[in-house]
Amino acid sequence: DGGITQSPKYLFRKEGQNVTLSCEQNLNHDAMYWYRQDPGQGLRLIYYSQIVNDFQKGDIAEGYSVSREKKESFPLTVTSAQKNPTAFYLCASSTVLNTEAFFGQGTRLTVV
Amino acid sequence: QKEVEQNSGPLSVPEGAIASLNCTYSDRGSQSFFWYRQYSGKSPELIMSIYSNGDKEDGRFTAQLNKASQYVSLLIRDSQPSDSATYLCAVIRGGMYSGGGADGLTFGKGTHLIIQP
Repeated sequence: DGGITQSPKYLFRKEGQNVTLSCEQNLNHDAMYWYRQDPGQGLRLIYYSQIVNDFQKGDIAEGYSVSREKKESFPLTVTSAQKNPTAFYLCASSTVLNTEAFFGQGTRLTVV
Repeated sequence: QKEVEQNSGPLSVPEGAIASLNCTYSDRGSQSFFWYRQYSGKSPELIMSIYSNGDKEDGRFTAQLNKASQYVSLLIRDSQPSDSATYLCAVIRGGMYSGGGADGLTFGKGTHLIIQP
């Protein structure tokens, strides 16, 4: 089945730790995105990539980093510089940039 | 001014009635508009896309776009309890030539819809 797979579903981070969220897609989509959702809020764009080895900052990139070494994969690292990382993280992909996007099942990150 | 605005609700509609969800956007250069449905604790699911002025129908769903008024709406006919969810309006901004920001979808905060049996 084609789709977008995020792992893990739940993740707990200690203060000062970096953590990496995985996102893999087998839809042959060129563009991939990371969004963050806080309770009662809409989704906010963290980073996006339209081609391998290239990515751009979104509206709230501070404290996050990404890589795009393979077309299928777009991992997100939440660094210790992100002061309020507890949120629901959603990865999405689309055929090309700025077309309808499809989402993975999300990773819920909690700082303990 | 917020880029994509929705009434947060909750919007309560009797089963079988028409639910009407509204969204306004600020970037006049926006070209693409989407409605996503999100159940509690789940990821958003695309239900409608619309690109030109007028109505677009898909089953019980109708999306309406008015670019002059910068307004997009979603109508759900014959509402069912399973339609109870948060509906997110999303817009692709016009980009640098419209003073827009980064690429990708810009989302409203969503409208919480409750269908009463």
